[in-house]
Amino acid sequence: DIQMTQSPSTLSASVGDRVTITCRASQSISSWLAWYQQKPGKAPKFLIYQASSLESGVPSRFSGSGSGTEFILTISSLQPDDSATYYCQHYSGYPRTFGQGTKVEIK
Amino acid sequence: EVQLVESGGGLVQPGGSLRLSCAASGFSFSGHWMTWVRRAPGKGLEWVANIKQDGSEKYYVDSVKGRFTISRDNPKNSLYLQMNSLRAEDTAVYYCARDRSTSSWSLFFDYWGQGTLVTVSS
Repeated sequence: DIQMTQSPSTLSASVGDRVTITCRASQSISSWLAWYQQKPGKAPKFLIYQASSLESGVPSRFSGSGSGTEFILTISSLQPDDSATYYCQHYSGYPRTFGQGTKVEIK
Repeated sequence: EVQLVESGGGLVQPGGSLRLSCAASGFSFSGHWMTWVRRAPGKGLEWVANIKQDGSEKYYVDSVKGRFTISRDNPKNSLYLQMNSLRAEDTAVYYCARDRSTSSWSLFFDYWGQGTLVTVSS
């Protein structure tokens, strides 16, 4: 099975800060990676696919990069509404696996 | 507008069974792979199972193989998860999600329901 490891587990940043979350795969997944955002009590929201393609309607401050085993989600200017947990997920074979999540808090 | 509405969750004793349903609307249900994902209390998201458009392919996470069965009824625009031999560790919110893919291989999950809570406890 492919293991997905995110870092950090939690981060605290101020409004306007640039924030990066790293996701590492235990083996190469090419660019078969998606990112999701989940707020407490809500369904996950799909953000990015193919590692770097932004889903329609997602604010442009979100971006993704990487390929192979290392991926990054960047929020270029953190907003209060971005307080949430973020998950990466591979879709290169089975079982599909998610990272353990990164909780983003606003200072 | 794509809508996914789960139902069927509740409290069940260890060893018991439960059947979750997901009613889909706003898109061509029969054209998409569909998926179940869960989130246990205090834990992250875990993919549980998915099913191809015509039901001919089904995949499961190892921890539920032989106990859970995913199925679909395309004329009724409905997805199901039959859960047997339930364990405490199956306690979670279960989400139904639409797969972006309309082709032969599954991709990522672009629309999610609000989830239904399954609690396994005596």
